[in-house]
Amino acid sequence: EIVMTQSPATLSVSPGDRATLSCRASQSVSSNLAWYQQKPGQAPRLLIYGASTRATGIPARFSGSGSGTEFTLTISSLQSEDFAVYYCQQYNNWITFGQGTRLEIK
Amino acid sequence: QVTLKESGPVLVKPTETLTLTCTVSGLSLSNTRMGVSWIRQPPGKALEWLARIFPNDEKSYSTSLRSRLTIYKDTSESQVVLTMTNLDPVDTATYFCVRIPFDFWTNSYPFYFDYWGQGALVTVSS
Repeated sequence: EIVMTQSPATLSVSPGDRATLSCRASQSVSSNLAWYQQKPGQAPRLLIYGASTRATGIPARFSGSGSGTEFTLTISSLQSEDFAVYYCQQYNNWITFGQGTRLEIK
Repeated sequence: QVTLKESGPVLVKPTETLTLTCTVSGLSLSNTRMGVSWIRQPPGKALEWLARIFPNDEKSYSTSLRSRLTIYKDTSESQVVLTMTNLDPVDTATYFCVRIPFDFWTNSYPFYFDYWGQGALVTVSS
């Protein structure tokens, strides 16, 4: 099973600043990597697939990069509604999720 | 507009069997290229993929839970059903029904999830 490791577990950032979230795979997943945002009491929302393609309706301040085993989700100029938990998911070999990064207001 | 909605019991006793139903609206399971998966999330924990089913009735399951899971679909009712046997309190979780989109460019299913149901919280307790 491919293990997905997200870091940091919690990230404190001020509104208007940039947030950089990391996801590492235990073996190469090519570009078969998705990112989700989850707010309390809600289902996750797809942000990014194919490592860097924004899903429909996702603002341009969200961007994804990486391939192989190292991936990054960048949120430029954080808005109040962006504070949430973010999960990465690989779909190159079965399906596994990371443990999540909680993005909180500094 | 595609919507998925989970339904099922809120409380289940240990050793019992859980049956969850996902009702899909906005698209027909019989003539649409979409897969449906189940994913669960224990309270305060991460997401765990459980099972998936495709229009041709191809199915696959989580390796760790394979022996306890069954997924099937009722196309006429636009429903996908998941059963899980021999429940334990560690199975307490919110269970999500999700859509796997079809990529017409590559003629394949990339296994990410673009539409999610609201989730159904299932508590396993005596």
